[in-house]
Amino acid sequence: DAKTTQPPSMDCAEGRAANLPCNHSTISGNEYVYWYRQIHSQGPQYIIHGLKNNETNEMASLIITEDRKSSTLILPHATLRDTAVYYCIVLTDSWGKFQFGAGTQVVVTP
Amino acid sequence: DAGVTQSPTHLIKTRGQQVTLRCSPKSGHDTVSWYQQALGQGPQFIFQYYEEEERQRGNFPDRFSGHQYPNYSSELNVNALLLGDSALYLCASSFGDYSNQPQHFGDGTRLSIL
Repeated sequence: DAKTTQPPSMDCAEGRAANLPCNHSTISGNEYVYWYRQIHSQGPQYIIHGLKNNETNEMASLIITEDRKSSTLILPHATLRDTAVYYCIVLTDSWGKFQFGAGTQVVVTP
Repeated sequence: DAGVTQSPTHLIKTRGQQVTLRCSPKSGHDTVSWYQQALGQGPQFIFQYYEEEERQRGNFPDRFSGHQYPNYSSELNVNALLLGDSALYLCASSFGDYSNQPQHFGDGTRLSIL
C-alpha cells in the first residue's frame, strides 16, 4: 500500500497562504490523492482530491508533482477556522478503504 | 440534504457489555464504512458494507460486527467491551466509482468504557 509522510505540525498566520506538503513516493499510476481535515470533536471533512492534474475548488488547491511522488495542499487565505488536523491519503483500494496516517496539525494564529 | 448522521453522540459503557452504534448515510449513498479513532491518532478502518454485505474488513476482532439495512443505514456492534475500545467511532458513506468519489463522514459516536 502506498503510504504518505506529512510534517507533524505547522503554524500559519491568519490571512496568509498555508502550504501543506505530503510525500507519497510509492504511489501507483491509478491511485488518487485525497485530503481531509478534522476539526476537534468533529468527523473528517473532505477537502479535495486528484489523480494527476492540479485541482482547485472553493476550499483549496491541490498541486501534484509531475512524477506524482508528492503533493501540496494550498489554503489560499488561512482563517482561524482552518485550525485542524489535515490528512493526506493515497487511496489504494478501489472500494474506498482509506488508510489515515497521523496527519499535520495546522494552527492558524492571528 | 442531510449529511451522514450518527447516533448516539456519546455513550458510556462498562467492560464486558455490548453496544450498538447507528449510522444513516448521506442521501443517495449506498456504501457505509466504519472507522475507529483513538485519542490522538488517525481513524482506523473497521469494515465496509455494500448491498447489505460486509465487503471488506480491517484488522479488528470478531467482537466487532455490523449490519446494513435495505435503506442503506448501518449499525456497528461491539461485544465484550474492553477498556481499549474507548474511542470515537466514525461512519462514512459513499457511492459509485469509489476511487474517484469522496467519502463523507459523520461526526461520530464517542464511546467511553469504564
